[in-house]
Amino acid sequence: QSALTQPPSASGSPGQSVTISCTGTSSDVGAYNHVSWYQQHPGKGPRLIIYEVGQRPSGVPDRFSGSKSGNTASLTVSGLQTEDEADYHCSSYAGRSWVFGGGTKLTVL
Amino acid sequence: EMQLVESGGGLVQPGGSLRLSCATSGFYFRDSYLHWVRQVPGKGLVWVARIMRDDSDTDYADFVKGRFTISRDNAKNTVYLQMSSLTVEDTALYYCARDGGKWNHDCWGQGTLVTVSS
Repeated sequence: QSALTQPPSASGSPGQSVTISCTGTSSDVGAYNHVSWYQQHPGKGPRLIIYEVGQRPSGVPDRFSGSKSGNTASLTVSGLQTEDEADYHCSSYAGRSWVFGGGTKLTVL
Repeated sequence: EMQLVESGGGLVQPGGSLRLSCATSGFYFRDSYLHWVRQVPGKGLVWVARIMRDDSDTDYADFVKGRFTISRDNAKNTVYLQMSSLTVEDTALYYCARDGGKWNHDCWGQGTLVTVSS
């Protein structure tokens, strides 16, 4: 399976909004609503922040939201805060397998 | 609090073998599905394998089929990844993750580093 496509970097100022895209194919993102997003700070394991395209686990701020259109999913971070600076990874179920994106480094300027 | 703690990583020569362990706590292990996911430092995550409730129900990424085996010990709340015929391309940080039940990975360990080099 090929990796999902994410931009390598994104940035925004505190208080602004930023959207990160994640493009797959009709065999993964386009086929299932099982898209997840993970936040990863340096030296740490990933943390689930969005599942099933737009659902948030308990404890994740509502500043994080997700959506999907066709083969592309998106993560929006609103009201950027300095602690949001991290790597963000998307993932999709692909039929008894999972595929991840290459990761996007979000910089809060 | 859910916890997953990986161990067993290290330096191994090409063609060698290694067994990773992931000790878990804070959730009902027997009913949980577990995954291994790897990451070359500075790169993206790559799914490796999943095990459902017993060793007979497993899935693997194509690039590890026939070389890696995922298994579990429900008495020890531990999942394993037996790796053989290792190549330099297998060098990565290996994470254990719990399946959150909605096709996601809702809890991760801190990873164990595997380095394949002569």
